[in-house]
Amino acid sequence: DADVTQTPRNRITKTGKRIMLECSQTKGHDRMYWYRQDPGLGLRLIYYSFDVKDINKGEISDGYSVSRQAQAKFSLSLESAIPNQTALYFCATSDPTSGNNEQFFGPGTRLTVL
Amino acid sequence: GQSLEQPSEVTAVEGAIVQINCTYQTSGFYGLSWYQQHDGGAPTFLSYNALDGLEETGRFSSFLSRSDSYGYLLLQELQMKDSASYFCAVRDGTGGFKTIFGAGTRLFVKA
Repeated sequence: DADVTQTPRNRITKTGKRIMLECSQTKGHDRMYWYRQDPGLGLRLIYYSFDVKDINKGEISDGYSVSRQAQAKFSLSLESAIPNQTALYFCATSDPTSGNNEQFFGPGTRLTVL
Repeated sequence: GQSLEQPSEVTAVEGAIVQINCTYQTSGFYGLSWYQQHDGGAPTFLSYNALDGLEETGRFSSFLSRSDSYGYLLLQELQMKDSASYFCAVRDGTGGFKTIFGAGTRLFVKA
């Protein structure tokens, strides 16, 4: 079954550490997204990519960077993690030809920065 | 900029009908989506409205009025499993076709 996967599912790290969250998809979608979710704040867009050569900043990109290694892979890095980056992180994909803007989400990565 | 407003919580009884409203402000509106998220789970797509009117999918319907910058999600014949968070999201064409999510409405369904 075509899917969106994220690794790791849970991560605890310390302030100042570099962290990479990985996302892979087998849906064949060109568009990929990274969101963070905090209680009461919904999903906020960090970065998005419409194809391998296209990277765009979202609402809250400061402190984050991304790499689109292939159509199927989109990684999110925290260069120097800080406690207020503790959150649930979701990767998502979409097909621009679908007509309904449906995004397919991975299971999420729960990140805790101590 | 963009903003969306939806109620933080709604409570309803099993078998009832509930409406979750969403108002939005955006300069490059293309469409309004709704997503459901159960505790501990990922958001899942429910509906998308690009044009005014009502879209029906089983027990769920979604409505859009572009002139009022307003939409709603209607859930009929509520079931306990409908207890979840519901997010409205606008597709915004300003600076690229990104999707901006509201803060979510927590729906509690009581027996």
